[in-house]
Amino acid sequence: KAGVTQTPRYLIKTRGQQVTLSCSPISGHRSVSWYQQTPGQGLQFLFEYFSETQRNKGNFPGRFSGRQFSNSRSEMNVSTLELGDSALYLCASTGEGYSYNEQFFGPGTRLTVL
Amino acid sequence: AQSVTQLGSHVSVSEGALVLLRCNYSSSVPPYLFWYVQYPNQGLQLLLKYTTGATLVKGINGFEAEFKKSETSFHLTKPSAHMSDAAEYFCAVSETGGSYIPTFGRGTSLIVHP
Repeated sequence: KAGVTQTPRYLIKTRGQQVTLSCSPISGHRSVSWYQQTPGQGLQFLFEYFSETQRNKGNFPGRFSGRQFSNSRSEMNVSTLELGDSALYLCASTGEGYSYNEQFFGPGTRLTVL
Repeated sequence: AQSVTQLGSHVSVSEGALVLLRCNYSSSVPPYLFWYVQYPNQGLQLLLKYTTGATLVKGINGFEAEFKKSETSFHLTKPSAHMSDAAEYFCAVSETGGSYIPTFGRGTSLIVHP
């Protein structure tokens, strides 16, 4: 099976702009989670979508939003970008029947805000 | 609530030496425990996981970890370090029966000297 894919891999934006990141989970996986990774804060959970519904949410401002489509692909959007949003954004998918909660990660999107 | 503490943000070893990366967790219910590895510019890859049963868990690339409930620890070891082991290592915990979203430690950077 193909792994989790994320596009684009690298992105440069300026403050105030908005950005949309995309994630395609492993075929058959219906849960997609998003994380922000920074040197200062480590890995922080943003949100999780399951069957097109947000099932869990981390502690991030409303500028961070996401959605999931019927084919399980997910997008996350960040509006009004701030310098502090520069980070590696990781997407992870989990399959049904995975009672051990294993997540499979994509390579990430490196966002730089200037 | 769950939390993970990884002792030492950086660990330096010589090639061929023992690798020991420490992880302590707190969880109000029996946990699932994971170790992930992240190579530069890549996502996280699962090294090994503890769910139930045998407390000594073997993973990929010669790594293993032992779940010690009395010490709330899940330290990662490898008998002989290789240059290719240089990476960032993350310990994670998720709770059985609840939200399965894992909590990650801050990570430990493993440096391997020739």
